[in-house]
Amino acid sequence: DTAVSQTPKYLVTQMGNDKSIKCEQNLGHDTMYWYKQDSKKFLKIMFSYNNKELIINETVPNRFSPKSPDKAHLNLHINSLELGDSAVYFCASSQGLGGETQYFGPGTRLLVL
Amino acid sequence: AQSVSQHNHHVILSEAASLELGCNYSYGGTVNLFWYVQYPGQHLQLLLKYFSGDPLVKGIKGFEAEFIKSKFSFNLRKPSVQWSDTAEYFCAVNVGRRGKLIFGQGTELSVKP
Repeated sequence: DTAVSQTPKYLVTQMGNDKSIKCEQNLGHDTMYWYKQDSKKFLKIMFSYNNKELIINETVPNRFSPKSPDKAHLNLHINSLELGDSAVYFCASSQGLGGETQYFGPGTRLLVL
Repeated sequence: AQSVSQHNHHVILSEAASLELGCNYSYGGTVNLFWYVQYPGQHLQLLLKYFSGDPLVKGIKGFEAEFIKSKFSFNLRKPSVQWSDTAEYFCAVNVGRRGKLIFGQGTELSVKP
Protein backbone atom coordinates (compact mmCIF):
# COMPACT_ATOMS: atom_id res chain seq x y z
CA ASP A 1 0.00 0.00 0.00
CA THR A 2 2.81 2.40 -1.00
CA ALA A 3 1.57 5.99 -0.97
CA VAL A 4 3.78 7.40 -3.74
CA SER A 5 5.44 4.93 -6.07
CA GLN A 6 7.88 5.40 -8.92
CA THR A 7 9.13 3.16 -11.69
CA PRO A 8 11.79 2.29 -12.47
CA LYS A 9 13.95 2.51 -9.38
CA TYR A 10 17.15 2.52 -11.41
CA LEU A 11 17.70 3.61 -14.99
CA VAL A 12 21.00 3.34 -16.83
CA THR A 13 21.06 4.58 -20.40
CA GLN A 14 23.22 6.08 -23.10
CA MET A 15 23.46 9.75 -24.05
CA GLY A 16 20.93 10.74 -26.66
CA ASN A 17 18.32 8.19 -25.65
CA ASP A 18 14.76 9.00 -24.62
CA LYS A 19 13.40 7.65 -21.35
CA SER A 20 10.36 7.93 -19.12
CA ILE A 21 9.83 7.73 -15.37
CA LYS A 22 6.39 6.97 -14.00
CA CYS A 23 4.83 8.12 -10.75
CA GLU A 24 1.59 7.13 -9.09
CA GLN A 25 0.03 8.19 -5.80
CA ASN A 26 -2.84 6.50 -4.01
CA LEU A 27 -3.38 9.21 -1.41
CA GLY A 28 -6.18 10.94 -3.30
CA HIS A 29 -4.08 14.09 -3.56
CA ASP A 30 -4.73 16.79 -6.14
CA THR A 31 -1.15 17.98 -6.61
CA MET A 32 1.95 16.16 -7.80
CA TYR A 33 5.55 17.25 -8.24
CA TRP A 34 8.87 16.27 -9.76
CA TYR A 35 12.13 17.12 -7.99
CA LYS A 36 15.71 16.57 -9.08
CA GLN A 37 18.41 15.69 -6.53
CA ASP A 38 21.91 16.22 -7.85
CA SER A 39 25.14 14.52 -6.85
CA LYS A 40 25.57 16.94 -3.93
CA LYS A 41 22.09 15.95 -2.69
CA PHE A 42 20.63 19.36 -3.48
CA LEU A 43 16.89 19.10 -4.17
CA LYS A 44 15.21 21.39 -6.65
CA ILE A 45 11.65 21.44 -7.87
CA MET A 46 11.13 20.87 -11.59
CA PHE A 47 7.37 20.73 -12.15
CA SER A 48 4.09 20.60 -10.32
CA TYR A 49 0.61 19.70 -11.50
CA ASN A 50 -2.70 20.36 -9.81
CA ASN A 51 -5.67 18.38 -11.10
CA LYS A 52 -3.74 17.68 -14.31
CA GLU A 53 -2.95 21.37 -14.84
CA LEU A 54 0.68 22.51 -15.00
CA ILE A 55 1.36 24.94 -12.15
CA ILE A 56 5.14 25.15 -11.78
CA ASN A 57 7.72 24.83 -14.54
CA GLU A 58 11.08 25.78 -13.07
CA THR A 59 13.31 26.70 -16.01
CA VAL A 60 13.72 23.09 -16.95
CA PRO A 61 15.06 22.33 -20.47
CA ASN A 62 12.42 21.53 -23.08
CA ARG A 63 13.82 18.01 -23.26
CA PHE A 64 11.90 17.32 -20.05
CA SER A 65 8.18 16.95 -20.54
CA PRO A 66 5.82 16.03 -17.73
CA LYS A 67 2.50 14.39 -18.49
CA SER A 68 -0.41 13.93 -16.14
CA PRO A 69 -3.03 11.55 -17.57
CA ASP A 70 -5.06 11.86 -14.37
CA LYS A 71 -4.49 13.39 -10.98
CA ALA A 72 -3.08 10.17 -9.55
CA HIS A 73 -0.29 9.95 -12.12
CA LEU A 74 2.52 12.25 -13.18
CA ASN A 75 5.06 10.90 -15.62
CA LEU A 76 8.32 12.48 -16.70
CA HIS A 77 9.63 11.98 -20.20
CA ILE A 78 13.18 13.00 -21.05
CA ASN A 79 14.37 13.37 -24.65
CA SER A 80 17.96 13.31 -25.87
CA LEU A 81 19.46 12.47 -22.50
CA GLU A 82 22.67 14.26 -21.51
CA LEU A 83 25.35 13.38 -18.98
CA GLY A 84 24.16 16.23 -16.75
CA ASP A 85 20.76 14.62 -16.43
CA SER A 86 22.27 11.97 -14.18
CA ALA A 87 20.57 12.45 -10.81
CA VAL A 88 17.91 11.05 -8.54
CA TYR A 89 14.41 12.12 -9.54
CA PHE A 90 11.76 12.23 -6.83
CA CYS A 91 8.05 12.41 -7.32
CA ALA A 92 5.89 13.88 -4.56
CA SER A 93 2.26 14.67 -3.92
CA SER A 94 0.22 16.89 -1.64
CA GLN A 95 -3.45 17.48 -0.97
CA GLY A 96 -3.45 20.90 -2.58
CA LEU A 97 -1.35 23.92 -3.42
CA GLY A 98 -1.60 25.81 -0.16
CA GLY A 99 1.66 24.68 1.35
CA GLU A 100 0.47 21.31 2.60
CA THR A 101 2.90 18.54 3.43
CA GLN A 102 4.43 16.86 0.42
CA TYR A 103 4.89 13.10 0.44
CA PHE A 104 7.79 11.74 -1.54
CA GLY A 105 8.27 8.63 -3.59
CA PRO A 106 11.34 6.36 -3.33
CA GLY A 107 13.19 8.09 -6.16
CA THR A 108 14.51 6.99 -9.54
CA ARG A 109 18.28 6.95 -9.88
CA LEU A 110 19.14 7.89 -13.47
CA LEU A 111 22.64 7.35 -14.81
CA VAL A 112 23.46 8.60 -18.29
CA LEU A 113 26.62 7.13 -19.81
CA ALA B 1 14.74 35.26 -4.48
CA GLN B 2 13.69 32.99 -1.69
CA SER B 3 16.40 30.74 -0.29
CA VAL B 4 17.04 28.34 2.56
CA SER B 5 20.40 28.02 4.24
CA GLN B 6 21.54 25.16 6.43
CA HIS B 7 24.63 26.09 8.39
CA ASN B 8 26.22 22.71 8.81
CA HIS B 9 27.21 20.54 5.88
CA HIS B 10 28.33 17.54 7.92
CA VAL B 11 27.86 16.94 11.63
CA ILE B 12 29.50 14.06 13.48
CA LEU B 13 28.25 13.16 16.95
CA SER B 14 28.58 10.34 19.42
CA GLU B 15 25.48 8.52 20.60
CA ALA B 16 23.61 10.33 23.38
CA ALA B 17 24.99 13.72 22.34
CA SER B 18 22.55 16.56 21.80
CA LEU B 19 21.84 17.80 18.30
CA GLU B 20 21.00 21.16 16.89
CA LEU B 21 20.90 21.79 13.13
CA GLY B 22 20.53 25.34 11.95
CA CYS B 23 18.17 26.53 9.23
CA ASN B 24 17.53 30.07 8.05
CA TYR B 25 15.31 31.23 5.23
CA SER B 26 14.92 34.44 3.33
CA TYR B 27 11.31 35.41 2.72
CA GLY B 28 9.35 38.18 4.35
CA GLY B 29 5.87 36.73 4.07
CA THR B 30 3.99 33.84 5.59
CA VAL B 31 5.80 30.54 5.31
CA ASN B 32 5.22 26.90 6.07
CA LEU B 33 8.36 25.21 7.36
CA PHE B 34 9.44 21.59 7.19
CA TRP B 35 12.22 19.27 8.19
CA TYR B 36 12.64 16.13 6.13
CA VAL B 37 15.01 13.23 6.74
CA GLN B 38 16.56 10.97 4.13
CA TYR B 39 18.04 7.74 5.48
CA PRO B 40 20.75 6.17 3.32
CA GLY B 41 19.27 4.92 0.07
CA GLN B 42 15.73 5.90 1.01
CA HIS B 43 13.22 8.58 0.12
CA LEU B 44 12.49 11.74 2.06
CA GLN B 45 10.30 11.38 5.11
CA LEU B 46 8.66 14.19 7.02
CA LEU B 47 10.12 14.76 10.49
CA LEU B 48 8.01 17.74 11.48
CA LYS B 49 6.33 20.85 10.17
CA TYR B 50 5.27 24.29 11.26
CA PHE B 51 2.25 26.04 9.77
CA SER B 52 1.05 28.32 12.58
CA GLY B 53 0.48 28.44 16.33
CA ASP B 54 2.99 27.25 18.90
CA PRO B 55 6.44 27.97 17.45
CA LEU B 56 7.89 24.92 19.18
CA VAL B 57 6.84 21.87 17.20
CA LYS B 58 7.44 18.25 18.01
CA GLY B 59 7.96 15.61 15.40
CA ILE B 60 8.64 11.93 15.12
CA LYS B 61 11.53 10.08 16.78
CA GLY B 62 12.05 12.69 19.49
CA PHE B 63 12.87 15.58 17.17
CA GLU B 64 11.62 19.10 17.73
CA ALA B 65 12.11 22.45 16.03
CA GLU B 66 11.61 26.05 17.02
CA PHE B 67 10.37 28.72 14.67
CA ILE B 68 11.82 32.13 15.52
CA LYS B 69 10.17 34.60 13.16
CA SER B 70 12.44 37.52 14.04
CA LYS B 71 15.49 35.47 13.12
CA PHE B 72 13.92 33.75 10.09
CA SER B 73 15.10 30.51 11.65
CA PHE B 74 13.72 27.01 12.13
CA ASN B 75 16.38 24.99 13.94
CA LEU B 76 16.05 21.27 14.49
CA ARG B 77 16.92 19.73 17.85
CA LYS B 78 17.12 16.37 19.55
CA PRO B 79 18.31 15.94 23.15
CA SER B 80 20.02 12.59 22.64
CA VAL B 81 20.87 11.14 19.23
CA GLN B 82 21.07 7.49 18.35
CA TRP B 83 23.12 5.66 15.77
CA SER B 84 19.91 5.15 13.78
CA ASP B 85 19.61 8.93 13.33
CA THR B 86 22.46 8.83 10.84
CA ALA B 87 20.93 10.40 7.75
CA GLU B 88 20.70 13.53 5.62
CA TYR B 89 18.45 16.25 7.03
CA PHE B 90 16.74 18.84 4.86
CA CYS B 91 15.07 22.04 5.91
CA ALA B 92 12.42 23.29 3.47
CA VAL B 93 10.20 26.31 3.13
CA ASN B 94 6.93 26.57 1.26
CA VAL B 95 6.15 30.05 0.03
CA GLY B 96 3.25 31.44 -1.94
CA ARG B 97 0.22 29.49 -3.02
CA ARG B 98 1.74 27.29 -5.69
CA GLY B 99 3.12 24.61 -3.41
CA LYS B 100 6.73 25.38 -4.29
CA LEU B 101 9.08 23.81 -1.72
CA ILE B 102 12.51 25.38 -1.47
CA PHE B 103 15.08 23.11 0.13
CA GLY B 104 18.27 23.87 1.97
CA GLN B 105 21.42 22.12 0.85
CA GLY B 106 21.07 19.43 3.48
CA THR B 107 23.08 18.43 6.54
CA GLU B 108 24.64 15.02 6.74
CA LEU B 109 24.49 13.67 10.29
CA SER B 110 26.79 10.83 11.26
CA VAL B 111 26.28 9.30 14.69
CA LYS B 112 29.09 7.13 16.05
CA PRO B 113 28.02 4.20 18.22
